[in-house]
Amino acid sequence: RKEVEQDPGPFNVPEGATVAFNCTYSNSASQSFFWYRQDCRKEPKLLMSVYSSGNEDGRFTAQLNRASQYISLLIRDSKLSDSATYLCVVFKAAGNKLTFGGGTRVLVKP
Amino acid sequence: NAGVTQTPKFRILKIGQSMTLQCAQDMNHNYMYWYRQDPGMGLKLIYYSVGAGITDKGEVPNGYNVSRSTTEDFPLRLELAAPSQTSVYFCASSLTGPDTQYFGPGTRLTVL
Repeated sequence: RKEVEQDPGPFNVPEGATVAFNCTYSNSASQSFFWYRQDCRKEPKLLMSVYSSGNEDGRFTAQLNRASQYISLLIRDSKLSDSATYLCVVFKAAGNKLTFGGGTRVLVKP
Repeated sequence: NAGVTQTPKFRILKIGQSMTLQCAQDMNHNYMYWYRQDPGMGLKLIYYSVGAGITDKGEVPNGYNVSRSTTEDFPLRLELAAPSQTSVYFCASSLTGPDTQYFGPGTRLTVL
């Protein structure tokens, strides 16, 4: 089993709709969680950190479920510019280990 | 501020050749990382450094070497290039381990 798993998609989303997807992690000792966004042929950029209580940044909401070992990202009122690959990242302090998921591709269409 | 810079942007190598991928950051970050990203895949950590003079292996270190003589620079050396090393290489830096990582634009390497 991979340490960090994501549905590769693509998730085809009509403009204005809501889309949500998860990322599961296998190591219960994981401590910090992040969502990065990567545009085609570009470098990843931090979208948001994921806090235990859940957090929101504009149209984006991230949740952490430690019991079931997954994090989620929800995008409301999708824009064409939200089309990208969303990478889940998990950090474990022991071994200073940062692990990236394979990414979930989102395509927002008019 | 330039952030994280990488050179070259593109390179084609023949099997058995060597090269150094350059990475520099001007944010005075302690942590620096090298990743590779194969088509349609996530990033895999090759090497990382928590400060000048300190480096450690990541998930896929074989065939690569690094050095960190200054805070700013973190070059990645490929010895005896192989087709399996065809990939996009990203360098990143962060102030602390779990902090926001800032990525360079990447180097697209093809080994033929």
